[in-house]
Order: sequence, then C-alpha cells, then structure tokens
Amino acid sequence: GQQVMQIPQYQHVQEGEDFTTYCNSSTTLSNIQWYKQRPGGHPVFLIQLVKSGEVKKQKRLTFQFGEAKKNSSLHITATQTTDVGTYFCAGETSGSRLTFGEGTQLTVNP
Amino acid sequence: ETGVTQSPTHLIKTRGQQVTLRCSSQSGHNTVSWYQQALGQGPQFIFQYYREEENGRGNFPPRFSGLQFPNYSSELNVNALELDDSALYLCASSFLANTGELFFGEGSRLTVL
Repeated sequence: GQQVMQIPQYQHVQEGEDFTTYCNSSTTLSNIQWYKQRPGGHPVFLIQLVKSGEVKKQKRLTFQFGEAKKNSSLHITATQTTDVGTYFCAGETSGSRLTFGEGTQLTVNP
Repeated sequence: ETGVTQSPTHLIKTRGQQVTLRCSSQSGHNTVSWYQQALGQGPQFIFQYYREEENGRGNFPPRFSGLQFPNYSSELNVNALELDDSALYLCASSFLANTGELFFGEGSRLTVL
C-alpha cells in the first residue's frame, strides 16, 4: 500500500534559525497537503500542492512539490516560538484517501 | 475554529467494552472521515462517509464501524475494545469526498485499561 515517510522525526532549533521537513511517497501522488498540529491540538490545514514542481509561499513558509510528484518539502525561514508543533504531510493518490506521514516535531528555543 | 465538534473529549473504558464517538461536521460539508492517531504517530485513516454511505475504509477490523446521519453528523463505534485502541480519534469533514482540505475536530481521547 501507499506509504508516506517524513524526515526528520524531531527537530530542535534556536529561534531565528531555519527549519526544513521532507516528505517522500512510495507512489506518485495526485496532490499533497500539509498540516500543523500544536501540542494537545488537532491537525490544521496549511496548504495543498497539486502541480508537478509547484512552489507556494505563506509568509515565512515555503512549500515545494517535486517534479515526479513523489516528494515534498516545507521550509520555515527564521523560526519563531509560535512555529512549535508537529508538521504532517499527507499524500493523496487517485482513488485513495489521504495518507499521513509520521510528522516532524519542531521545538523552538527562545 | 473549524466548526467540527466531537464528543466526548475524553473517556476511559476497559478492555472488551464498546464505545461510541460522535462528530458534527462543519455546515455545508457532506463528507466525514475518521482517523485514529496513536501517541507520536500520524493520523491513520479508518473510514469515510459520503452522503450517508461508507465511501472507503482503511486497514481496520470490522469491530470499527460507523454511521452518517441525514444532517451529515457521524458516529464511530468500536466493539470489543483492546488496549491498542487507546488513541486520539479525529473526525474531519470536507465538502467533497476524495479531495480537498480536511477540517478536523478537536478529537476524542480514548484510554482503554
């Protein structure tokens, strides 16, 4: 079955440093979504990428979808303490449901 | 806030018991998906309901069952609870099945002793 892998599992940064999490799928995806889950909270939708090679930006967050539509990344520039949480990618293939990765847990030291 | 509400927020059951979790979807959404999230893991897809019919199921045994009502609210039932069923159960609503943003509720934290 479809598998979605994320690395790293944990990332500790100093406030102001950059952060990147990577997502890889075992199969070609029709789209990929990113979610953020704060400690004790629920996943909150950040963005959906659909096109091969797509790059989208939201303020300090940059999302990329690979040319082969099997990998994606989320990059945060100059992290802030409000960025703390677990970031999940979730891949969708035609006829299947979203498959979530294991997430990258980000901690930011002030 | 997403407008998706779940109840109860926390509950404790013993092995072998049965549990029903409830979810009210966001207004205008006709699709509800249920996910199980074990501690430190990503959400795992249980099943989806679209217009009161099951519309896809993940790798969960038949003792996990569900319903969707005409107002698009939904229930998740788990029979013969096992210790490994301890998890956060998330309900997510969406406007269309199979695509688009999921709006998650706060979840129901189930502990099985």
